[in-house]
Amino acid sequence: DIQMTQSPSSLSASVGDRVTITCRASQSISRYLNWYRKKAGEAPNLLIYNASILQSGVPSRFSGSGSGTDFTLTIISLQPEDFATYYCQQSHSVPITFGQGTRLEIK
Amino acid sequence: EVQLVESGGGLVKPGRSLRLSCTTSGFTFGDYAMSWFRQAPGKGLEWVGFVRSKTYGGTTEYAASVKGKFTISRDDSKSIAYLQMNSLKTEDTAVYYCTRYSGWQFDYWGQGTLVTVSS
Repeated sequence: DIQMTQSPSSLSASVGDRVTITCRASQSISRYLNWYRKKAGEAPNLLIYNASILQSGVPSRFSGSGSGTDFTLTIISLQPEDFATYYCQQSHSVPITFGQGTRLEIK
Repeated sequence: EVQLVESGGGLVKPGRSLRLSCTTSGFTFGDYAMSWFRQAPGKGLEWVGFVRSKTYGGTTEYAASVKGKFTISRDDSKSIAYLQMNSLKTEDTAVYYCTRYSGWQFDYWGQGTLVTVSS
């Protein structure tokens, strides 16, 4: 199975800040990497797919990069609705696996 | 508008079975694979499995934790995906989400349905 490791596990920031979350795969997954935002009590929301493609309707303050084993999600100008948990997920091979999540909290 | 609505969750005793349904609208159901995920209380997201479209044989894949216990199926005539869960254990307690699998990403999710396994 491909292990996905996110860092940091938690992060404190303020509205307007820029933050970066990293995700590392235990083996190369090319660009088969997706990012989701998960708010408590809500379904996950796809933000970025294929490592860097912005999902339709997602604000441009979100961006993704990387290939192979190392990936990043960057959020510029944090908004109140961005304080949530973020997950990376690989679709390179079955079983589909997620990182453990990064909890983004208001400072 | 693409919509996915899960139903069938609830409280069930250990060892019993439950079937979840995912009723969809707003897209050509038969063209897509459909997948199930879950999130146990206080835990992260876990993939359960998916069923491919009939174009790709309608075959299924499962996580090791549910293989042989859970079965995913689809009824293209009704645009519904199912998750049959047998021999339930307390560790299967979670919110279960149905998703559309588009390309290599899960782009639309239902609101989730809570399954609680407890005596």
